[in-house]
Amino acid sequence: GAGVSQSPSNKVTEKGKDVELRCDPISGHTALYWYRQSLGQGLEFLIYFQGNSAPDKSGLPSDRFSAERTGGSVSTLTIQRTQQEDSAVYLCASSRPGTEYEQYFGPGTRLTVT
Amino acid sequence: KNQVEQSPQSLIILEGKNCTLQCNYTVSPFSNLRWYKQDTGRGPVSLTIMTFSENTKSNGRYTATLDADTKQSSLHITASQLSDSASYICVVSSYGNNRLAFGKGNQVVVIP
Repeated sequence: GAGVSQSPSNKVTEKGKDVELRCDPISGHTALYWYRQSLGQGLEFLIYFQGNSAPDKSGLPSDRFSAERTGGSVSTLTIQRTQQEDSAVYLCASSRPGTEYEQYFGPGTRLTVT
Repeated sequence: KNQVEQSPQSLIILEGKNCTLQCNYTVSPFSNLRWYKQDTGRGPVSLTIMTFSENTKSNGRYTATLDADTKQSSLHITASQLSDSASYICVVSSYGNNRLAFGKGNQVVVIP
């Protein structure tokens, strides 16, 4: 596809369960970003990948959050032992080398923790 | 303190009317500023990008302005349509920093 894709589009999970969110960036985009958007709030940076390495993971809110990227392409964001405050839309974005300001966003995954 | 402040937080306008959204930022050194439109349930989509030397840029009925001296930007929507109902997010980037600074968005609702 031409754009960033994310799956699932919606996820409802019980408190305490683990969830995996997937992001498929635009082909050729070496940089990949994960953001969290809570209701009425701005985008909150979580983690940044350049290729398969994550030079900036300072935005991850707790050790329950982790992310990996393999083959310089697909990335998964894992939230362990989900809490209700994890409920949010998780957005993924990618950008070409040298154009980190020009990020293309996916549609997001809406996570609801009950 | 957020480096990007947007106002008004939300507004309701009649279809066909114009409106102006404001963005003030403190990001330094400034590289560029983007306005994104985010429809409900969708990811943000870029409307305009402006660099230091640009004062105004248009994209259809959307016109963005930038005053790099006062660190202010505006997004003007002309002859609003129902499809303009969305959140408009101001995003500022800084040289040498891969992180973007996001505003919380202006929530626009266009009513018939």
